[in-house]
Amino acid sequence: GENVEQHPSTLSVQEGDSAVIKCTYSDSASNYFPWYKQELGKGPQLIIDIRSNVGEKKDQRIAVTLNKTAKHFSLHITETQPEDSAVYFCASNGGTSYGKLTFGQGTILTVHP
Amino acid sequence: NAGVTQTPKFQVLKTGQSMTLQCAQDMNHEYMSWYRQDPGMGLRLIHYSVGAGITDQGEVPNGYNVSRSTTEDFPLRLLSAAPSQTSVYFCASSRQGRTDTQYFGPGTRLTVL
Repeated sequence: GENVEQHPSTLSVQEGDSAVIKCTYSDSASNYFPWYKQELGKGPQLIIDIRSNVGEKKDQRIAVTLNKTAKHFSLHITETQPEDSAVYFCASNGGTSYGKLTFGQGTILTVHP
Repeated sequence: NAGVTQTPKFQVLKTGQSMTLQCAQDMNHEYMSWYRQDPGMGLRLIHYSVGAGITDQGEVPNGYNVSRSTTEDFPLRLLSAAPSQTSVYFCASSRQGRTDTQYFGPGTRLTVL
C-alpha cells in the first residue's frame, strides 16, 4: 500500500519568515495530494491540494509543488503569521479507485511573533 | 449545510464497555471513513465505506465494527473497549472520485480506563 513520509515533525519560525514542509510518497499511481491544517481541538481542514497534471499551485501565501519523478511534494507558506501556527498534514490517494487517503505523520508549525 | 457532524465530543469508558461513535453528513457524499489520531502517528484509517451497504477495512480495523445503512450515517462501534483504543476519532466524507476533497468532522476524544 501507499506510504507517506513527512518532514520535519516540528518547525519553528519567526513571524514573516517562510516555512517549508516536505512529503514523499511511494505509489507511482498516486495523483492527488492534499494538505490539511489542524488547529487545536478541531478536525483537519483542507488548505490546498494538487493533482498530478500540474507541478505547482498557489493560493495567496500558500503554495504546493509536486515532483512526480522524485515522488515528493512540498508545502510553502510565505510571510508567516501567528495564526498559521497549527499541525499540518500531507496526504496522497495511492492507487485506489475511490477517495482513500494515506496521511503523513504531521508537522507542528509554531510561528513566533 | 452542517457538513460532517460527530457525537459525542468527549467520552470516557471503562475497559470492556461497548459504545457507538456517531457520524453524519448532509452533503450526499458516497464515500465515508473513520480515522484515529494518535500523537506522532498522523491519521490512520480504521474503516471506510464507498456507499450504503458497502464497507471495508482500513489500516487498523481490529476492535472496531461499522455498518452503512444510509448515505448520511456511518457509525463506528467499539465492541469491547481497551486502553489501546484511547485516541481522537475523526469521521470524513467525500464524493466518490479519487481526487475529491475529503471533509472532516470535529472529532471525538475517547479515553478508555
